[in-house]
Amino acid sequence: GAVVSQHPSRVICKSGTSVKIECRSLDFQATTMFWYRQFPKQSLMLMATSNEGSKATYEQGVEKDKFLINHASLTLSTLTVTSAHPEDSSFYICSALPGTGDYEQYFGPGTRLTVT
Amino acid sequence: AQSVAQPEDQVNVAEGNPLTVKCTYSVSGNPYLFWYVQYPNRGLQFLLKYITGDNLVKGSYGFEAEFNKSQTSFHLKKPSALVSDSALYFCAVRDSAGYALNFGKGTSLLVTP
Repeated sequence: GAVVSQHPSRVICKSGTSVKIECRSLDFQATTMFWYRQFPKQSLMLMATSNEGSKATYEQGVEKDKFLINHASLTLSTLTVTSAHPEDSSFYICSALPGTGDYEQYFGPGTRLTVT
Repeated sequence: AQSVAQPEDQVNVAEGNPLTVKCTYSVSGNPYLFWYVQYPNRGLQFLLKYITGDNLVKGSYGFEAEFNKSQTSFHLKKPSALVSDSALYFCAVRDSAGYALNFGKGTSLLVTP
């Protein structure tokens, strides 16, 4: 089956620093990738939609200058949390959509970000 | 906007008994519905989807779901629960504006031995 990886799986950073999270589709090309955020014991909230070669589309309330998304290739999207603060601590999950007409998204294992 | 609701925060069932995790939907047009499972500190694993066709959808790990248009429901079921089925289950619907998913709040399933 289709596999999506995320790196790192867990990161701790100091307040004010930036953190980059990578999302890779390992065995398929993903024209579209999504970034979700999940708070403890809560549902996933869509942050942005990332299309290869174009600017990401951010959901209302998500600061695009704080959460920088780059989708430079059909297998890689990155989320950079800039000037991180403790309230940015969360579980970030990416998903990838193959460009084959399949409606099924494939999810990465998630990245646990802790900002101290 | 397309949305789903999971009315139960937690479902408890004894191992070997049938389980049902409820989901209702609200959509304009044809619904594209999904069930995912999440284990602690892990991403989501796809269980099954309904796009069109038979109302009874069979998925991974012995799970199935029944699409009921009159009741706008898409309940997840399994005939015989396993302790290893204990996890967080999410119902989701494809957003009308694109391919992103709108998730329910999740239902925690606890299967006791």
